Amino acid sequence: GENVEQHPSTLSVQEGDSAVIKCTYSDSASNYFPWYKQELGKGPQLIIDIRSNVGEKKDQRIAVTLNKTAKHFSLHITETQPEDSAVYFCAAFMKTSYDKVIFGPGTSLSVIP
Amino acid sequence: GAVVSQHPSRVICKSGTSVKIECRSLDFQATTMFWYRQFPKQSLMLMATSNEGSKATYEQGVEKDKFLINHASLTLSTLTVTSAHPEDSSFYICSASFTGGSYEQYFGPGTRLTVT
Repeated sequence: GENVEQHPSTLSVQEGDSAVIKCTYSDSASNYFPWYKQELGKGPQLIIDIRSNVGEKKDQRIAVTLNKTAKHFSLHITETQPEDSAVYFCAAFMKTSYDKVIFGPGTSLSVIP
Repeated sequence: GAVVSQHPSRVICKSGTSVKIECRSLDFQATTMFWYRQFPKQSLMLMATSNEGSKATYEQGVEKDKFLINHASLTLSTLTVTSAHPEDSSFYICSASFTGGSYEQYFGPGTRLTVT
């Protein structure tokens, strides 16, 4: 069935370093790939997204790249700050019998001051 | 813009009782709302998708008679957990999207349900 894998499950970086989280998806018909940040006890917050007709998108310190051939996409956070510490989820918009978003298992990012 | 609220933020109920969770889109009309359940240290699992004025579509394994969803207006959807049991304790999150063709989902802050 439809599946989104995400790696690593945990990531610890020094403040100021970069963080990279990678995801793969199974449905080649997927065409929308959002990334969410979830802080403890809160709902997910959309931080960046990319559509299948674009290979890369950047918003300040955050960027996402997409390789449709390989069916993988990545989140890049540069100049990390302690407030970037959270759980990050990738997701893929999959067309099955109806449209739905499949979430990856999440990456717990810790930025060490 | 695109703010989604949930009420209550936390609720504790006894086994066998029912509890209702509200999800509201505050500054936009949400033709589609989604309900997710999240267990500790796990990802979000879609429970059901609801379109305003029609019956919800439930994911496989989700009991529609236990998790009643009503999407009576373009700004309000409710999830009622009936005859709650301790295993229903979880973090319930709703999200809303503008139109059926729009992919972006905006999430509420979540509701922590504890069944004793």
